[in-house]
Amino acid sequence: GAVVSQHPSRVICKSGTSVKIECRSLDFQATTMFWYRQFPKQSLMLMATSNEGSKATYEQGVEKDKFLINHASLTLSTLTVTSAHPEDSSFYICSAPLAGDEQFFGPGTRLTVL
Amino acid sequence: QKEVEQNSGPLSVPEGAIASLNCTYSDRGSQSFFWYRQYSGKSPELIMFIYSNGDKEDGRFTAQLNKASQYVSLLIRDSQPSDSATYLCAVGGDSNYQLIWGAGTKLIIKP
Repeated sequence: GAVVSQHPSRVICKSGTSVKIECRSLDFQATTMFWYRQFPKQSLMLMATSNEGSKATYEQGVEKDKFLINHASLTLSTLTVTSAHPEDSSFYICSAPLAGDEQFFGPGTRLTVL
Repeated sequence: QKEVEQNSGPLSVPEGAIASLNCTYSDRGSQSFFWYRQYSGKSPELIMFIYSNGDKEDGRFTAQLNKASQYVSLLIRDSQPSDSATYLCAVGGDSNYQLIWGAGTKLIIKP
C-alpha cells in the first residue's frame, strides 16, 4: 500500500500557542488529502478536505480560522491549530486517496494542550 | 444525510472462531466499500475493499457486499487475539474521494 507520513507524532504545548502538523504522501502524489480528528473512544470525525492549489473545504462546525490548512504541493498538506486550547487536545490523522476512493492514513499526531 | 451504521459492540469471539462484522449504508448510489482496522492509539489501516456484489476473499478475511440490501460485512476466519481492534466500515461514491465512516465495531478475540 501507499505510504503517508505525519510529523510530529506527538506534541505537547501550552494553551495559546499554535501547532503545525505536516502530512506527506511519500510514494505518490495526492491532489486531495483529508484531515480527521478523533477523541478518545470516539469515531473518526472528518474536519476538512485539503485541495492542492486551492482552498480547503471544511466540514460543518469546524472553524476554518482556527484550523488552517495549506496544500502547497502534490505531496504535502499542513494543518495548523492556531491558539490551541485544552479542548483541542485530540488525535489528528491525515489520509490521502491513492486510486479511486482507497484512503491511506498517516500514523497520526497526538496533540496535548496544557 | 448519508449514513453508515455499525454496531458499536464490543463483539466478543473465541479464538479460532469466525468473527462477523456488519455494516449498513443509506446511499443506494454508493460505489465503493472499505473495511479498516484500528488498534487503540493508532491510525486506521485498510484491510479490504470491495466494489461488486458478492464475496471477496483475502487470506483470513472475506468481504461481502449486497447492494440490494445495502449492507456490507467482514468475516474473519480463525480469529486470533491480534485481530482484537475496532473495525471501521467506510463507504464512498462521490467524485471527491470522500468516504462516509461508520462509528466502528470493537472486536475482542478471547484466547
